[in-house]
Amino acid sequence: KQEVTQIPAALSVPEGENLVLNCSFTDSAIYNLQWFRQDPGKGLTSLLLIQSSQREQTSGRLNASLDKSSGRSTLYIAASQPGDSATYLCAVKSGGSYIPTFGRGTSLIVHP
Amino acid sequence: GAGVSQTPSNKVTEKGKYVELRCDPISGHTALYWYRQSLGQGPEFLIYFQGTGAADDSGLPNDRFFAVRPEGSVSTLKIQRTERGDSAVYLCASARGYGETQYFGPGTRLLVL
Repeated sequence: KQEVTQIPAALSVPEGENLVLNCSFTDSAIYNLQWFRQDPGKGLTSLLLIQSSQREQTSGRLNASLDKSSGRSTLYIAASQPGDSATYLCAVKSGGSYIPTFGRGTSLIVHP
Repeated sequence: GAGVSQTPSNKVTEKGKYVELRCDPISGHTALYWYRQSLGQGPEFLIYFQGTGAADDSGLPNDRFFAVRPEGSVSTLKIQRTERGDSAVYLCASARGYGETQYFGPGTRLLVL
């Protein structure tokens, strides 16, 4: 059974810092990995989707990398802003399964 | 529509009652997922539809939970004899197909008193 862990659980940083959020998974036979953002009381917004054949994806200040062999993905946020404050979730879809497994998320606060 | 919509946004009910939660996916999306999210947790998979059929309902916690998608578009999650432990946010997501990016609705916050 796939298990997804996100570290740290919470993070508070001053504006302007570069951040790394971590996601680890136990079964490396994955189909894809997706990073989401969730604002308080809201649904999830997809940030980046990495297929198993890819090593990274970039969108603006966000860069996500994938290392299947070590069971890890990192989300890099450059030059953080207060508007980046949210919970960041990763979801892993294992090969042959329709079911994505989510981590518990990293709660990020960027203060001015 | 422009995105996934869910109704109602909030639902308060009494223990033992029946509730229906509705999801309107993005037009043309064949894949539809239901999740349940408790406070401080990630979304927990409930059921996945591909078209009209439930491709996987292994996440439904028990037989009080049932979901339909009769025309391959709108889906309804039905909960019978609600219990206080059913209180959570119920999220719906749609995608163009299997393995594609999932687009989430805002969720329905269910509170069972």
